[in-house]
Amino acid sequence: SAVISQKPSRDICQRGTSLTIQCQVDSQVTMMFWYRQQPGQSLTLIATANQGSEATYESGFVIDKFPISRPNLTFSTLTVSNMSPEDSSIYLCSVQLAAQSSYNEQFFGPGTRLTVL
Amino acid sequence: QKEVEQNSGPLSVPEGAIASLNCTYSDRGSQSFFWYRQYSGKSPELIMFIYSNGDKEDGRFTAQLNKASQYVSLLIRDSQPSDSATYLCAVNGMGGGSNYKLTFGKGTLLTVNP
Repeated sequence: SAVISQKPSRDICQRGTSLTIQCQVDSQVTMMFWYRQQPGQSLTLIATANQGSEATYESGFVIDKFPISRPNLTFSTLTVSNMSPEDSSIYLCSVQLAAQSSYNEQFFGPGTRLTVL
Repeated sequence: QKEVEQNSGPLSVPEGAIASLNCTYSDRGSQSFFWYRQYSGKSPELIMFIYSNGDKEDGRFTAQLNKASQYVSLLIRDSQPSDSATYLCAVNGMGGGSNYKLTFGKGTLLTVNP
């Protein structure tokens, strides 16, 4: 597996502001993903972060609300824009180490707990 | 809609017993199947994956896959209080083209009573 870190680990934000979450991996990975886990719910994929190109968003998620960058193979950011209380959630990045496995298992970072007031 | 279904629980077992966690999935073309453990306030941790019909054992954990029935399970032998967590079933390859994506079930909360 890889060592994955996220910053910040938690934050409390005001409605209408934006927060950028960083995900750093200690080795180069092929695939990076961003998930949301709302209270008491399972994980929902927001988007796949593509290195050097625009992210691929899942149905219900748009770039204007969740802009994503991935400038290299070890780092990605997710911005939650113009936040509302409904955005209160845990945001998780995950990575896939395709070079080590062909079964597409994913490993998760520790998560960012976001509360929007 | 591609779905992964799990009983939400809670599933309560005594210490030392076998805990059995079940998952069904809707897409017959699914390829790989994963079990994650998530402690309260923590991120999911991969504990098992399986891709062939039958059983796969790793220590106290056994994953079972039956593709004909579209069913995957996780058995935890000699359950310990430290096994108390939510167990998430995830399926890869649902929906065809995007093989790398995982679809998660809602998870089963397991409580192991001392």
